[in-house]
Amino acid sequence: GEDVEQSLFLSVREGDSSVINCTYTDSSSTYLYWYKQEPGAGLQLLTYIFSNMDMKQDQRLTVLLNKKDKHLSLRIADTQTGDSAIYFCAEITGGYNKLIFGAGTRLAVHP
Amino acid sequence: DVKVTQSSRYLVKRTGEKVFLECVQDMDHENMFWYRQDPGLGLRLIYFSYDVKMKEKGDIPEGYSVSREKKERFSLILESASTNQTSMYLCASSLRNVEAFFGQGTRLTVV
Repeated sequence: GEDVEQSLFLSVREGDSSVINCTYTDSSSTYLYWYKQEPGAGLQLLTYIFSNMDMKQDQRLTVLLNKKDKHLSLRIADTQTGDSAIYFCAEITGGYNKLIFGAGTRLAVHP
Repeated sequence: DVKVTQSSRYLVKRTGEKVFLECVQDMDHENMFWYRQDPGLGLRLIYFSYDVKMKEKGDIPEGYSVSREKKERFSLILESASTNQTSMYLCASSLRNVEAFFGQGTRLTVV
Protein backbone atom coordinates (compact mmCIF):
# COMPACT_ATOMS: atom_id res chain seq x y z
CA GLY A 1 0.00 0.00 0.00
CA GLU A 2 0.90 3.62 -0.07
CA ASP A 3 2.93 5.10 2.75
CA VAL A 4 4.84 8.32 3.26
CA GLU A 5 7.31 8.59 6.12
CA GLN A 6 9.07 11.56 7.69
CA SER A 7 10.97 12.23 10.88
CA LEU A 8 8.86 14.15 13.37
CA PHE A 9 11.21 16.89 14.60
CA LEU A 10 14.07 19.02 13.37
CA SER A 11 15.78 21.82 15.25
CA VAL A 12 18.14 24.25 13.53
CA ARG A 13 19.90 27.50 14.31
CA GLU A 14 18.78 30.65 12.54
CA GLY A 15 20.86 31.18 9.39
CA ASP A 16 21.74 27.50 8.99
CA SER A 17 20.31 25.22 6.31
CA SER A 18 17.48 22.83 7.16
CA VAL A 19 17.04 19.51 5.41
CA ILE A 20 13.75 17.66 5.82
CA ASN A 21 13.62 14.12 4.49
CA CYS A 22 10.77 11.94 3.29
CA THR A 23 10.44 8.43 1.89
CA TYR A 24 7.48 7.16 -0.09
CA THR A 25 6.48 3.75 -1.36
CA ASP A 26 4.51 4.20 -4.56
CA SER A 27 7.00 4.15 -7.41
CA SER A 28 4.27 5.22 -9.84
CA SER A 29 3.70 8.55 -8.06
CA THR A 30 3.77 11.30 -10.64
CA TYR A 31 3.88 14.32 -8.37
CA LEU A 32 5.45 14.83 -4.96
CA TYR A 33 4.69 17.82 -2.79
CA TRP A 34 5.86 19.78 0.19
CA TYR A 35 3.20 21.56 2.22
CA LYS A 36 3.73 23.96 5.09
CA GLN A 37 1.44 24.42 8.07
CA GLU A 38 2.03 27.37 10.37
CA PRO A 39 0.57 27.34 13.89
CA GLY A 40 -3.21 27.69 13.84
CA ALA A 41 -3.33 27.83 10.05
CA GLY A 42 -4.31 25.52 7.21
CA LEU A 43 -1.90 23.79 4.84
CA GLN A 44 -0.30 25.70 2.02
CA LEU A 45 1.62 24.28 -0.91
CA LEU A 46 5.29 25.19 -0.65
CA THR A 47 6.63 23.48 -3.74
CA TYR A 48 6.25 20.33 -5.81
CA ILE A 49 8.32 18.21 -8.17
CA PHE A 50 7.43 15.99 -11.10
CA SER A 51 8.66 12.43 -10.86
CA ASN A 52 10.83 12.82 -13.97
CA MET A 53 12.90 15.56 -12.31
CA ASP A 54 15.85 15.14 -9.96
CA MET A 55 15.96 18.61 -8.52
CA LYS A 56 13.92 21.78 -8.34
CA GLN A 57 15.08 25.09 -6.92
CA ASP A 58 12.87 27.98 -5.91
CA GLN A 59 14.64 30.82 -4.10
CA ARG A 60 15.68 29.43 -0.69
CA LEU A 61 14.05 26.07 -1.33
CA THR A 62 15.69 23.10 -3.03
CA VAL A 63 13.84 19.84 -3.61
CA LEU A 64 15.85 16.71 -4.38
CA LEU A 65 14.23 13.53 -5.65
CA ASN A 66 15.94 10.15 -5.70
CA LYS A 67 13.43 8.03 -7.54
CA LYS A 68 15.46 4.84 -7.22
CA ASP A 69 15.42 5.07 -3.42
CA LYS A 70 11.99 6.76 -3.31
CA HIS A 71 13.52 9.54 -1.25
CA LEU A 72 12.50 13.18 -1.32
CA SER A 73 14.16 16.03 0.55
CA LEU A 74 13.47 19.71 1.12
CA ARG A 75 16.38 22.01 1.84
CA ILE A 76 15.73 25.48 3.21
CA ALA A 77 18.74 27.76 2.94
CA ASP A 78 19.36 30.53 5.50
CA THR A 79 16.55 29.29 7.74
CA GLN A 80 14.65 32.05 9.50
CA THR A 81 12.36 32.05 12.55
CA GLY A 82 9.44 32.55 10.17
CA ASP A 83 10.21 29.11 8.71
CA SER A 84 9.15 27.46 11.98
CA ALA A 85 6.21 25.27 11.02
CA ILE A 86 5.20 21.70 10.27
CA TYR A 87 6.30 20.49 6.85
CA PHE A 88 4.36 17.71 5.17
CA CYS A 89 5.55 15.54 2.34
CA ALA A 90 2.77 14.23 0.08
CA GLU A 91 2.37 12.06 -3.00
CA ILE A 92 -0.30 11.57 -5.62
CA THR A 93 -0.99 7.88 -5.95
CA GLY A 94 -3.47 5.50 -7.47
CA GLY A 95 -5.73 5.75 -10.48
CA TYR A 96 -7.99 8.34 -8.88
CA ASN A 97 -5.22 10.75 -7.83
CA LYS A 98 -5.39 10.01 -4.13
CA LEU A 99 -3.30 12.50 -2.15
CA ILE A 100 -1.41 10.87 0.73
CA PHE A 101 0.53 12.76 3.40
CA GLY A 102 3.33 11.92 5.78
CA ALA A 103 3.08 12.60 9.51
CA GLY A 104 4.80 15.97 9.17
CA THR A 105 8.15 17.28 10.39
CA ARG A 106 8.03 20.03 13.00
CA LEU A 107 10.83 22.49 12.25
CA ALA A 108 11.98 24.61 15.18
CA VAL A 109 14.34 27.51 14.44
CA HIS A 110 16.28 28.91 17.37
CA PRO A 111 18.58 31.95 17.63
CA ASP B 1 -8.25 33.15 -5.23
CA VAL B 2 -9.34 29.58 -4.72
CA LYS B 3 -11.50 29.23 -1.68
CA VAL B 4 -12.26 26.10 0.29
CA THR B 5 -14.71 26.84 3.05
CA GLN B 6 -15.52 24.57 5.95
CA SER B 7 -18.78 25.35 7.67
CA SER B 8 -17.48 25.51 11.24
CA ARG B 9 -14.11 26.22 12.87
CA TYR B 10 -15.09 24.61 16.17
CA LEU B 11 -17.76 22.05 17.03
CA VAL B 12 -18.67 20.29 20.26
CA LYS B 13 -20.95 17.27 19.99
CA ARG B 14 -22.18 14.57 22.29
CA THR B 15 -21.35 10.88 21.98
CA GLY B 16 -23.86 9.16 19.72
CA GLU B 17 -24.91 12.29 17.84
CA LYS B 18 -24.96 12.37 14.05
CA VAL B 19 -22.51 15.03 12.90
CA PHE B 20 -22.27 16.74 9.53
CA LEU B 21 -19.12 18.56 8.43
CA GLU B 22 -19.59 20.61 5.28
CA CYS B 23 -17.00 21.72 2.76
CA VAL B 24 -17.54 23.97 -0.26
CA GLN B 25 -15.07 24.95 -2.97
CA ASP B 26 -15.54 27.63 -5.60
CA MET B 27 -13.11 26.56 -8.34
CA ASP B 28 -14.94 23.71 -10.09
CA HIS B 29 -12.38 21.16 -8.87
CA GLU B 30 -13.05 17.51 -9.59
CA ASN B 31 -11.26 16.10 -6.57
CA MET B 32 -12.24 16.69 -2.98
CA PHE B 33 -10.76 15.13 0.14
CA TRP B 34 -11.47 14.76 3.85
CA TYR B 35 -8.58 14.24 6.24
CA ARG B 36 -8.23 14.14 9.97
CA GLN B 37 -5.12 15.56 11.59
CA ASP B 38 -3.85 14.23 14.90
CA PRO B 39 -0.53 15.04 16.62
CA GLY B 40 2.23 12.71 15.51
CA LEU B 41 0.02 11.04 12.91
CA GLY B 42 -0.10 13.77 10.31
CA LEU B 43 -2.99 13.90 7.88
CA ARG B 44 -4.85 10.65 7.38
CA LEU B 45 -7.21 10.34 4.47
CA ILE B 46 -10.76 9.43 5.42
CA TYR B 47 -12.55 9.62 2.07
CA PHE B 48 -12.07 11.32 -1.24
CA SER B 49 -14.24 12.01 -4.25
CA TYR B 50 -13.14 12.39 -7.87
CA ASP B 51 -16.51 13.39 -9.29
CA VAL B 52 -20.11 14.07 -8.32
CA LYS B 53 -21.63 11.06 -6.56
CA MET B 54 -18.30 9.22 -6.77
CA LYS B 55 -16.36 8.38 -3.65
CA GLU B 56 -13.44 6.24 -2.60
CA LYS B 57 -12.40 5.09 0.86
CA GLY B 58 -9.18 6.45 2.23
CA ASP B 59 -7.06 4.89 4.94
CA ILE B 60 -9.45 5.33 7.89
CA PRO B 61 -13.08 5.31 6.65
CA GLU B 62 -14.55 3.39 9.58
CA GLY B 63 -17.21 5.38 11.42
CA TYR B 64 -17.52 7.93 8.61
CA SER B 65 -19.50 8.36 5.43
CA VAL B 66 -19.52 11.07 2.77
CA SER B 67 -21.85 12.68 0.31
CA ARG B 68 -21.14 14.57 -2.89
CA GLU B 69 -24.41 15.52 -4.57
CA LYS B 70 -23.00 18.66 -6.18
CA LYS B 71 -19.51 19.27 -7.53
CA GLU B 72 -18.76 22.13 -5.17
CA ARG B 73 -19.85 20.46 -1.94
CA PHE B 74 -18.40 17.47 -0.09
CA SER B 75 -19.90 16.47 3.23
CA LEU B 76 -18.39 14.26 5.90
CA ILE B 77 -20.85 12.44 8.15
CA LEU B 78 -20.18 10.86 11.50
CA GLU B 79 -23.11 8.49 11.88
CA SER B 80 -22.72 8.14 15.65
CA ALA B 81 -19.98 10.33 17.06
CA SER B 82 -17.51 8.77 19.47
CA THR B 83 -14.83 10.33 21.65
CA ASN B 84 -12.06 8.84 19.50
CA GLN B 85 -13.33 10.98 16.63
CA THR B 86 -12.27 14.11 18.47
CA SER B 87 -9.80 15.64 16.02
CA MET B 88 -9.05 18.40 13.52
CA TYR B 89 -10.82 17.73 10.23
CA LEU B 90 -9.42 19.20 7.03
CA CYS B 91 -11.12 19.41 3.67
CA ALA B 92 -9.19 19.91 0.43
CA SER B 93 -9.96 20.21 -3.26
CA SER B 94 -7.79 19.89 -6.36
CA LEU B 95 -7.80 19.74 -10.12
CA ARG B 96 -6.38 16.29 -10.93
CA ASN B 97 -2.64 16.33 -10.16
CA VAL B 98 -2.37 20.02 -9.53
CA GLU B 99 -2.06 21.72 -6.13
CA ALA B 100 -4.60 20.80 -3.47
CA PHE B 101 -6.17 23.73 -1.61
CA PHE B 102 -7.15 23.32 1.99
CA GLY B 103 -9.85 24.77 4.16
CA GLN B 104 -9.04 26.20 7.59
CA GLY B 105 -10.15 23.05 9.37
CA THR B 106 -12.88 22.11 11.83
CA ARG B 107 -11.83 21.21 15.32
CA LEU B 108 -14.37 18.68 16.52
CA THR B 109 -14.67 17.70 20.17
CA VAL B 110 -16.91 14.77 21.08
CA VAL B 111 -17.86 14.67 24.74
